[in-house]
This record gives sequence, structure tokens and C-alpha cells, in this order.
Amino acid sequence: AQTVTQSQPEMSVQEAETVTLSCTYDTSESNYYLFWYKQPPSRQMILVIRQEAYKQQNATENRFSVNFQKAAKSFSLKISDSQLGDTAMYFCASSVKAGSYQLTFGKGTKLSVIP
Amino acid sequence: DAGITQSPRHKVTETGTPVTLRCHQTENHRYMYWYRQDPGHGLRLIHYSYGVKDTDKGEVSDGYSVSRSKTEDFLLTLESATSSQTSVYFCAIRDAGSGANVLTFGAGSRLTVL
Repeated sequence: AQTVTQSQPEMSVQEAETVTLSCTYDTSESNYYLFWYKQPPSRQMILVIRQEAYKQQNATENRFSVNFQKAAKSFSLKISDSQLGDTAMYFCASSVKAGSYQLTFGKGTKLSVIP
Repeated sequence: DAGITQSPRHKVTETGTPVTLRCHQTENHRYMYWYRQDPGHGLRLIHYSYGVKDTDKGEVSDGYSVSRSKTEDFLLTLESATSSQTSVYFCAIRDAGSGANVLTFGAGSRLTVL
């Protein structure tokens, strides 16, 4: 079984600043994926970034990057140059590479970007 | 756009009544999922399907049943709704072409059980 823990229920950041959201996970699998999803007030779930566990290099998507520490089972999300549109719930999730392919989610972090 | 449509988008019902939520996809994806989202719990898997008539339980399956008689439709049924099933329900599909277990979600269905 997999578990995902997000220890920060709420965070805030000034516009144009950088913020880091924390996530730790636990899995007995050797092949797995990690994800960050964003849920704005519209309620739509949007994939932000993904990381394959076997890849050492941290994933990057424009202003979003991750710090993947496999030994520590840590997967944090860094948002640079925060924008008002980044205001949302952010969910960390994990998935094993084979089987049901289901995602296991953390409880989420509510991020507010302050003008 | 993965072509996922959930219906209804909003529903209010009374305790004890049956409710069916529908998830429709247009791209022939094999895997489909139903999640529920509640404050303080994130998203939790109810049931999933890996093909027509092939389904399995998730973490919070009690009180729910599912059916998949066609590839494009995955139905979630609450046989006798309870107030604890008030939630937002999300359908998702697995995009096998992504090669990375990416799930794409529908817009969600808000269910209120009075």
C-alpha cells in the first residue's frame, strides 16, 4: 500500500516570490511515479508535473520544479515567480508503474498567492 | 482534452434514495476510476474498471457499486444514499499513451444528500 503525506494544510506567498510545498510518501514498490496536481476554484484537477522514480533528474515544467529525494521519500514542489493564477489546492500523488495504475493522493495544500 | 463528461454535475437528493452518476469518455480508454473528494481527505478511490464488465474496489467502496457495460461509460451507483456520501465525485481515465500513469479527470459531480 502507498501513503502520501502533505504536512502543510495552508500556505501563502507574495506574488512574484517563490514557494515550496512539501510531500512525503511511502511505498514498497521499486517502480513508481509521483505527481503534483492543481485544483483551482473551478474544481478541475490539472496535472502540474510528474516524476518517474527511476529518473535521477528532477522534473521541471516552466515555473514549476520538483525536488525528488528518493532515499528520503520526499517530493516537494517549487513554484517560482508566483502568479495570482497559482492560487489553488495542490495535491501530491503517487502511483505504481503496473497494476491498477490508481493514484494515491495526499490531503492537499491550499496555496494563496497574495497581490 | 480527454473527452470526459460527468453527469449530473450537481444533484441534491434525500437519504435513502438511489443515485447514479455517469462518466462518459470518447477516446476508448481502458481504465476508468471513480474518486470522491472531501475536505481534509484529499481524493480517495471508490472503484475502478480495467475493461468492460471488469471492475474492482478501491479504498472507500462500501455503499457504492459500479457498472461498465460499454467501454465509454462507467456508472457509479449509490443504492441508498446517506448523508456521509455527500461529496464531490470525480471520474478519471488513464491515458495509456502518456507512458507515465497519468490520470485525467472529469469536471466533478457535486452530490448533496439531505
